[in-house]
Amino acid sequence: LAKTTQPISMDSYEGQEVNITCSHNNIATNDYITWYQQFPSQGPRFIIQGYKTKVTNEVASLFIPADRKSSTLSLPRVSLSDTAVYYCLVEADDKIIFGKGTRLHILP
Amino acid sequence: DGGITQSPKYLFRKEGQNVTLSCEQNLNHDAMYWYRQDPGQGLRLIYYSQIVNDFQKGDIAEGYSVSREKKESFPLTVTSAQKNPTAFYLCASSPTGYEQYFGPGTRLTVT
Repeated sequence: LAKTTQPISMDSYEGQEVNITCSHNNIATNDYITWYQQFPSQGPRFIIQGYKTKVTNEVASLFIPADRKSSTLSLPRVSLSDTAVYYCLVEADDKIIFGKGTRLHILP
Repeated sequence: DGGITQSPKYLFRKEGQNVTLSCEQNLNHDAMYWYRQDPGQGLRLIYYSQIVNDFQKGDIAEGYSVSREKKESFPLTVTSAQKNPTAFYLCASSPTGYEQYFGPGTRLTVT
């Protein structure tokens, strides 16, 4: 399975756009890129998934360049409640490997 | 009201005792998973099952056992052979293997 690398932590302020980048240099042809959000003492929650170019839903956008070796999760106008750990995963064959994620801290 | 449930939320056991954590889903998902999470760490896969009566070991299966007799249920037993069982345990299910739906978790403390 492809390994992912993302920043350990990030700080931002309320109302700003936050971009979290994940690198996955060894991504395979059939791998999708998925992001999860986890609050303390809760299970992770699916945010968004994509294969290439751009995907947008009501929560976030996911940007994937043509070579698919990285991806960027974009959270528009964050609020304090977006403080959480964000995991980038590359998935295939029904098995997921979670890394340590990016701990995002939103400041007032 | 569809979802995935885990019980209990908190569990305390004495060292040397086996303990079984419950995971039930009514989402009609074929695949189910068990993860362990230690403080400040990501999730590590213990066992997963893609179909009833079949399951595979994940990355840290030693000291754990599972069964999948029904589609809705995937209980995890933490045996006395697990050397460091205190952790947050998360169960998940999936219709496709890609998007997983997680339960609320069980925090197990063994003393």
